Amino acid sequence: GQQVMQIPQYQHVQEGEDFTTYCNSSTTLSNIQWYKQRPGGHPVFLIQLVKSGEVKKQKRLTFQFGEAKKNSSLHITATQTTDVGTYFCAGTGGGNKLTFGTGTQLKVEL
Amino acid sequence: GAVVSQHPSWVICKSGTSVKIECRSLDFQATTMFWYRQFPKQSLMLMATSNEGSKATYEQGVEKDKFLINHASLTLSTLTVTSAHPEDSSFYICSATVGGGGPSSIQYFGAGTRLSVL
Repeated sequence: GQQVMQIPQYQHVQEGEDFTTYCNSSTTLSNIQWYKQRPGGHPVFLIQLVKSGEVKKQKRLTFQFGEAKKNSSLHITATQTTDVGTYFCAGTGGGNKLTFGTGTQLKVEL
Repeated sequence: GAVVSQHPSWVICKSGTSVKIECRSLDFQATTMFWYRQFPKQSLMLMATSNEGSKATYEQGVEKDKFLINHASLTLSTLTVTSAHPEDSSFYICSATVGGGGPSSIQYFGAGTRLSVL
C-alpha cells in the first residue's frame, strides 16, 4: 500500500533558526496536505498543494510540492516557540482517503 | 466554519465494557467522516471511512465487529469500541470533509478522545 515517510523524525532548534521537514511518498499523489498537531492536541489543517512544482507561502511557512508529485517539503523561517508541534504531511492517491506521513516533531528552545 | 466536535474527550473504562464516541459536524453537513487511531508519538492510522446512510468501509486489519461505526445523519458519526481491552487504549480522532469527500477535500478534525481501558 501507499507509504508516506517524513524526515527528520525529530528536530530541536534554537528560536530564530530555520526548520525543514521532508515528505516522500511511495506512489504519485493527487494532492498533498499539511497538518500541525500541538502536544496533546489534534491535527489542524495548514495547506493543500495540488499542482506539480507548486509553492505556497503562509507568513514564515513555505510549502513545496515536487515536480513528480511524490514529495513535498515544509520550511519554517526563523522559528518561534509557537511553532512547536508535530508536522504531518498527508496525501491522497486519487481516492478520498488520506495517508498520513510519519510526522516530524519540532521543538524550539529559547 | 468547519467545526467538528468530538465527545467525550477522555474516557476511562473497565475491561470488557463498551465505549461510544461521538463525532459531530457543527456547521456543515458531512456525507463522509473518517475515524483514526493514534498511538503516542506516532502518526494517524485510518481505521474506517464512515458514509452517511451506508455501511462503513474498514481498513485492512481493523475488526468491524470490534469497532462499530454508525453514520445515521449528515452531522453525526459514532464509533463504539465493544468489549474494550487494555490494548484498545489509544487516542481516537474523527474528521469530516467539506465538499463531498473527493480527493481534494480538506479534513477537519475533532479534538480527539483519549481512551484508557483498565
